[in-house]
Amino acid sequence: ETGVTQTPRHLVMGMTNKKSLKCEQHLGHNAMYWYKQSAKKPLELMFVYNFKEQTENNSVPSRFSPECPNSSHLFLHLHTLQPEDSALYLCASSQDRDRGNTGELFFGEGSRLTVL
Amino acid sequence: GENVEQHPSTLSVQEGDSAVIKCTYSDSASNYFPWYKQELGKRPQLIIDIRSNVGEKKDQRIAVTLNKTAKHFSLHITETQPEDSAVYFCAAHHRSTDKLIFGTGTRLQVFP
Repeated sequence: ETGVTQTPRHLVMGMTNKKSLKCEQHLGHNAMYWYKQSAKKPLELMFVYNFKEQTENNSVPSRFSPECPNSSHLFLHLHTLQPEDSALYLCASSQDRDRGNTGELFFGEGSRLTVL
Repeated sequence: GENVEQHPSTLSVQEGDSAVIKCTYSDSASNYFPWYKQELGKRPQLIIDIRSNVGEKKDQRIAVTLNKTAKHFSLHITETQPEDSAVYFCAAHHRSTDKLIFGTGTRLQVFP
């Protein structure tokens, strides 16, 4: 099943590197999300895009920069990260994001990021 | 503030026994409560959800109950099987901020 595909699955980077995570969804959804998953912490919402427009930036540091060129693709650009940014980054999509009407989230398998 | 508490953090049961995971939310206006299952190395997947206009929902061996007055909801798995072993996350849609707030997860292990 390849509804939401993330690449790369694993990434190791130094604090001065620049890299990007990619997410692609083949479900015809209009909303896409980035979540951060750290051990023993709740899933943390980072960014939300609805119909390609960023509707939410959940107080995320500027070293994380999202890009949504169309409703099927979502990127997370990474620059001068810190070791505490090491985590699993999950992309998700949903049909749309009408206020007050949250539908099922379809997650990718995640990109495991290690910052040295 | 926005908060969903989930207990226990780990749960071990014998195959065939029942498992119960409980969550408490803070926003009394929350109206949507999904449960996600994440197997080791896999993506989280929705297994069941409930909206605030009902008190219970069942789907084969899993059920979710909602107590709006107490602001808590629970996942019940009956006749557990080894393939039920996973991390389970509850979530509540925080209406005032339009955010889905997740709990910290429960690692369920079912021993044969």
